[in-house]
Amino acid sequence: AQSVTQLDSQVPVFEEAPVELRCNYSSSVSVYLFWYVQYPNQGLQLLLKYLSGSTLVKGINGFEAEFNKSQTSFHLRKPSVHISDTAEYFCAVSSVAGGTSYGKLTFGQGTILTVHP
Amino acid sequence: DTAVSQTPKYLVTQMGNDKSIKCEQNLGHDTMYWYKQDSKKFLKIMFSYNNKELIINETVPNRFSPKSPDKAHLNLHINSLELGDSAVYFCASSGHHYGYTFGSGTRLTVV
Repeated sequence: AQSVTQLDSQVPVFEEAPVELRCNYSSSVSVYLFWYVQYPNQGLQLLLKYLSGSTLVKGINGFEAEFNKSQTSFHLRKPSVHISDTAEYFCAVSSVAGGTSYGKLTFGQGTILTVHP
Repeated sequence: DTAVSQTPKYLVTQMGNDKSIKCEQNLGHDTMYWYKQDSKKFLKIMFSYNNKELIINETVPNRFSPKSPDKAHLNLHINSLELGDSAVYFCASSGHHYGYTFGSGTRLTVV
């Protein structure tokens, strides 16, 4: 079984400030890690993913995340946010299932990022 | 070209009705999913099909029945709709290298 905890339900921040959205996971097997963004009344857009290799992953829109296996974390960061980054962000994990492509995604509860002018 | 497309985008219906949501992907992925996003925005998997075979069936009422006529399509049929079925339903697909692509969602409102 696997689970994901997003430690902050809401994060308010001023424009051009840095931001970190925290994500911790629990799993008895190796995992793949993902961050998705959902703008109001829209679908889920992939920001970035960690499959293997370098633990620092760069994604779209200037976001990056660092996989920390010892702390079972995958925090999302952006050095300078824009008003347009206001959205809900979801961390998700899937188990590494022997090379198959059908591991289910388990999502965290979501973090609402609100960027103020 | 939309990679994962769902229809309809909005669905308003009365309690007790039967409705279907359709999903199609043109990515050549082997696996398709249905996820439910509740009013608190929590996302939970409902079903997964791999090459038309059901491989994940989470604790979902029997009123929900997925059907996959081929690996590019995964439809969701819901019988005897209840108020608690109101949610946003997302279709997704995944292929090699664990890329998941989501559709834009179907907002179901049961009145």
